Amino acid sequence: EIVLTQSPGTLSLSPGERATLSCWASQTVTRSQLAWYQQRPGQAPRLIIHGVSNRATGIPDRFSASGSGTDFTLSISRLEPEDSAVYFCHQYSSSFTFGPGTKVDVK
Amino acid sequence: DVYLLESGGGLVRPGGSLRLSCAASGFSFSTYAMTWVRQAPGKGLEWVSVISGSGDRAYYPDSVKGRFTISRDNSKNTVYLEMYSLRAEDTAVYYCAKGGSYYDYWGPGSLVSVSS
Repeated sequence: EIVLTQSPGTLSLSPGERATLSCWASQTVTRSQLAWYQQRPGQAPRLIIHGVSNRATGIPDRFSASGSGTDFTLSISRLEPEDSAVYFCHQYSSSFTFGPGTKVDVK
Repeated sequence: DVYLLESGGGLVRPGGSLRLSCAASGFSFSTYAMTWVRQAPGKGLEWVSVISGSGDRAYYPDSVKGRFTISRDNSKNTVYLEMYSLRAEDTAVYYCAKGGSYYDYWGPGSLVSVSS
C-alpha cells in the first residue's frame, strides 16, 4: 500500500499570502496519478487537482500543483478566506489511498 | 449539472447490517465507475469500494472485504453499498463519488453510526 504523508499539519496565513502544501508517497506514484481535494468544514471534499497538475473544472488559477515520483506540492497564491479548508492528497496509482490532510486557516 | 445524493444511513448495532444508496443525475451514469469513500468523525478519508460502469467488476480494501458489497442499477442511476457485520470502527460519513480513479463529484454524505 502506498502511504501518503502531508505537511505541515496546519498552516495559518493571512489573506493575500501564498500557501505551499507538501505530500510525500512511500512508493513511486506512477503515471501522474495523484489528485488533491479541498474539504471545507461540514462539506464533502471537492476535487481541486488531478493528474498531478491539472486543475478541475471551475478551480481558479490561484491553485497550482506539481511533482513527480514521491514528492508533490500544491500551491495556493493570493489566499482568500474561502480557501480555509483541509486539503487532502490522493494517489490512484496503486489501489487508492489518501494523505492525512493539511489544514489551511486564512484570517 | 451533476448531482449525487446518498441515503440509508443511521444508527445500527454492532454485527448489524445497513444498505446505502446513491442516486445520480446529470451525467451518463453507466459510462462511469462509481466509488464509496468514508470519513470517520474528525478523521481522514478512506476508500471503501469501487464498481465499474457496467457493474461487472468491484474492488474493496481489506478493511471491508467480505463484509461490504457494492452494486449498481444503471436503469435507476443508483449505486448501492450493502454493509454486513458492522463494527464500531465502521462509524463514518459515507460519500459516494463519481469516478474510478480520481473523483470529480461527491455527494453530501450519509452518516453511519455503529453503537450498542
